[in-house]
Amino acid sequence: DAKTTQPPSMDCAEGRAANLPCNHSTISGNEYVYWYRQIHSQGPQYIIHGLKNNETNEMASLIITEDRKSSTLILPHATLRDTAVYYCIVRVETSYGKLTFGQGTILTVHP
Amino acid sequence: ETGVTQTPRHLVMGMTNKKSLKCEQHLGHNAMYWYKQSAKKPLELMFVYSLEERVENNSVPSRFSPECPNSSHLFLHLHTLQPEDSALYLCASSQEWEMNSPLHFGNGTRLTVT
Repeated sequence: DAKTTQPPSMDCAEGRAANLPCNHSTISGNEYVYWYRQIHSQGPQYIIHGLKNNETNEMASLIITEDRKSSTLILPHATLRDTAVYYCIVRVETSYGKLTFGQGTILTVHP
Repeated sequence: ETGVTQTPRHLVMGMTNKKSLKCEQHLGHNAMYWYKQSAKKPLELMFVYSLEERVENNSVPSRFSPECPNSSHLFLHLHTLQPEDSALYLCASSQEWEMNSPLHFGNGTRLTVT
């Protein structure tokens, strides 16, 4: 699976959009971009995933560049409960969904 | 509520004890996973079960013994652990053969080995 690079930490004001970048310059054509987050003392939570088109769901939006070498997760109106570690993961679709986690980005939302 | 329930939430055991971690998923999935999360390290995949067969074992020491009696239940049997095995143990499930099926995680068992 392709390696990803994320900033170790980011801050965001409550109510503002949080834009979390991820670099995956070695991504292959059949690899998807997944985002998970982990709130303290809980298990990771699935947020969103995509292949090459931008995606949106009730939690977030995922913007993937045209060359697919980077992506941005957008939380449109961050709340204090969005404070968590955010993981960007690239993986090939296999028969089962094995994930390889990196260190992620610690997002802190301030009042 | 994630649909994946892990018990106990916290466990303290001595190095000579034998204990088991339990995971139950209520999502109708057919693949289950054990991950380990040590302090300041990324999550590490330990075992994968697909259709109740173990399909992956990532060089995990034999003092960790998984068991998957059916597609809804997964156990991790522990014996003669070391203090460095203290970690958060996470269970997850997904639907195999369904493209793009995300993993759903439980909230983990916090294990302390004394």
